[in-house]
Amino acid sequence: SQQGEEDPQALSIQEGENATMNCSYKTSINNLQWYRQNSGRGLVHLILIRSNEREKHSGRLRVTLDTSKKSSSLLITASRAADTASYFCATDGQTGANNLFFGTGTRLTVIP
Amino acid sequence: GAGVSQSPRYKVAKRGQDVALRCDPISGHVSLFWYQQALGQGPEFLTYFQNEAQLDKSGLPSDRFFAERPEGSVSTLKIQRTQQEDSAVYLCASSLLALAAYNEQFFGPGTRLTVL
Repeated sequence: SQQGEEDPQALSIQEGENATMNCSYKTSINNLQWYRQNSGRGLVHLILIRSNEREKHSGRLRVTLDTSKKSSSLLITASRAADTASYFCATDGQTGANNLFFGTGTRLTVIP
Repeated sequence: GAGVSQSPRYKVAKRGQDVALRCDPISGHVSLFWYQQALGQGPEFLTYFQNEAQLDKSGLPSDRFFAERPEGSVSTLKIQRTQQEDSAVYLCASSLLALAAYNEQFFGPGTRLTVL
C-alpha cells in the first residue's frame, strides 16, 4: 500500500498563480522527496528535504516539512503552462528501507 | 546514455503469455528499482537491486513476477502467464548510491503493458 496521500487530488489554476499541494504520510521518515510526472512520461526528481529540515527552496519551488504532523507541502510560485503535470511525494517509510513509497499524486493543470 | 531507458515502450500481450521488460540504467548507478504504476495512482515498489544482488523483492505481487540484473547493469522484469490485472506502466529507476532515502532516483519512461 502507498505511504503518502496528496491533497488535493486535482488542482486547476491560471498561469501566474501559485499552486500549493500537500502530502501526508504515515510512518517516521528519514527524508521526503517530491517528483513530477508529465503525462505518459517517467518521474522527474524535484527536491529532497531531510527530516531535520523545515523548509527548502529550489527556484520557483518551496517545500515545507512538519514531522510532528507527518505532512509536507509543495508550493510552485508564478506557475507556467509547462508546470502542468502530476506531482508525487515519496518517503522512505522506515529505517533501512531501500525503496520509496509514493503518494497518490496531485494532478495540476495550469491554464495559459 | 544520458538517462534511464526502457524497452519496449508499449507491450500488448494476450492473457497467459509471458513478457520481458528491459531496463538500461544510467551507467555506474549502483541501485536499480522496479515500480508498477496503475492508472491514476502513484508508483508502487516491486523490487530493488544493489549491483547484481536483489536485496528486496517484497513488492512483487506473485511468483509470476521475476527480475534479474545478472551483471549489475541491465535489468529484466519478467512476468509469466500474464493476467489482466498485470496491466499497468512498469517503471525502472536507478540511483548512484544505495539507500533510496538519501538519493535522487532517475526514472525511465516506463513500459505500458496491456493484457487482453
